[in-house]
Amino acid sequence: DTGVSQDPRHKITKRGQNVTFRCDPISEHNRLYWYRQTLGQGPEFLTYFQNEAQLEKSRLLSDRFSAERPKGSFSTLEIQRTEQGDSAMYLCASSSARGTDTQYFGPGTRLTVL
Amino acid sequence: GNSVTQMEGPVTLSEEAFLTINCTYTATGYPSLFWYVQYPGEGLQLLLKATKADDKGSNKGFEATYRKETTSFHLEKGSVQVSDSAVYFCALSKGGSARQLTFGSGTQLTVLP
Repeated sequence: DTGVSQDPRHKITKRGQNVTFRCDPISEHNRLYWYRQTLGQGPEFLTYFQNEAQLEKSRLLSDRFSAERPKGSFSTLEIQRTEQGDSAMYLCASSSARGTDTQYFGPGTRLTVL
Repeated sequence: GNSVTQMEGPVTLSEEAFLTINCTYTATGYPSLFWYVQYPGEGLQLLLKATKADDKGSNKGFEATYRKETTSFHLEKGSVQVSDSAVYFCALSKGGSARQLTFGSGTQLTVLP
C-alpha cells in the first residue's frame, strides 16, 4: 500500500491555459473521487468513479472541467480555459467497495491561476 | 441537501487541556459520520468514524459519538498534545448512490507547550 499519489504537487498557469492533473489510487481500490479545497474551507466534491464509470458529478464541475479514468486505474482531471477562480487545492481520494469503503486522500495538487 | 456545520476556529489550548470541537449535520436518513485531520504540510487523514446512531468512534485518544437526536458528532480528547495541532474536519457520507463526503469548513487547533 503506497497510498494515493497525485501529480504534479504544484501547478502555476496563466488564465486561459489548459491544465491536467493525475491521480493514482491505492492499487486495489475501485472507487476514485475528486474534490476541490479552497483556503479556509473544507473539500468540496467534484466527481466520483467506480472502476472506469463516472457515476456522479457535482454542479461545481462546469463544462470546462472533465475527468477520466480510462482503465479503471489512474484518473486525470482536466481544466480548460482556466480562470482565477479555479485556483485551489485539487484532492483525489480512493476507496474499496469491499470492506469499510473508507476514503483515503492523496496530498493534493495546488493550482494557481495568474 | 446535506450539510455539516463545525465550531468556528481557530482554537488554542495549552498542552494537557480538554478538547471539544462541535459538529452538527443536516441529512436525511442515516449518514455515516467522520472526522478527518490535516497536519501541516500533509494530506487529509481519517481520524475516526461512526456508521450508526449511538456508535462511538475512537482513535489516538480522540472520541466522537453519533447522536441522532441532536444530529451531532462532537470530537473530544481528554488531554491534548502539541502534536495534535492540525486542522480537523467533520464530514458525512450518505453512501449508496451518494457516497461522496460532505465536509464542514474545518477547525484549526493549536496546542501550546
